[in-house]
Amino acid sequence: GQNIDQPTEMTATEGAIVQINCTYQTSGFNGLFWYQQHAGEAPTFLSYNVLDGLEEKGRFSSFLSRSKGYSYLLLKELQMKDSASYLCACMDSNYQLIWGAGTKLIIKP
Amino acid sequence: GAVVSQHPSWVICKSGTSVKIECRSLDFQATTMFWYRQFPKQSLMLMATSNEGSKATYEQGVEKDKFLINHASLTLSTLTVTSAHPEDSSFYICSASSVTGDVQPQHFGDGTRLSIL
Repeated sequence: GQNIDQPTEMTATEGAIVQINCTYQTSGFNGLFWYQQHAGEAPTFLSYNVLDGLEEKGRFSSFLSRSKGYSYLLLKELQMKDSASYLCACMDSNYQLIWGAGTKLIIKP
Repeated sequence: GAVVSQHPSWVICKSGTSVKIECRSLDFQATTMFWYRQFPKQSLMLMATSNEGSKATYEQGVEKDKFLINHASLTLSTLTVTSAHPEDSSFYICSASSVTGDVQPQHFGDGTRLSIL
């Protein structure tokens, strides 16, 4: 079956760095997405990886290893506003998005 | 770019009422729109995928006669919750993907919070 695994919750300190991991098993692969969702709001798109390697976008970076079925989202210089849920989603061979349950990130001062 | 507008943002109504939610892509054409439901502190649940000009594809367990979806144009999809009951109270979110040959991310509307009394 298809499956996306990511930690349920993580805690980090303001100004620090945090890495949110995601492992996946899907029928085919057409890329992996990361979304941010603040409580009570809709998700917003952060990144898309389809090739192996690191994609950097400001304070946020996303990494993909297709051979390992693994990705991570790296957040640097954490700010209080980064407190949110981070959703990992994979696109399978039918271009369907398979969603992870999300990782709730708590930032402490 | 890639703005998706969803309306209304909040609905409170009596049990038995039908509620229509609109989802519009404002600055791009969307061949495919998606409707999700999310209960508090739970993950997104895909309800249905809607393609312009054709019938929506519903996920297992989602009643198509209960949740009517119309995707009449490349910029508009609607979800109608028919004869809503308290158990239908949830956060409903639409998303849209643009028309191109490459894989495109889904862009989400702001969501509709539905409360049935």
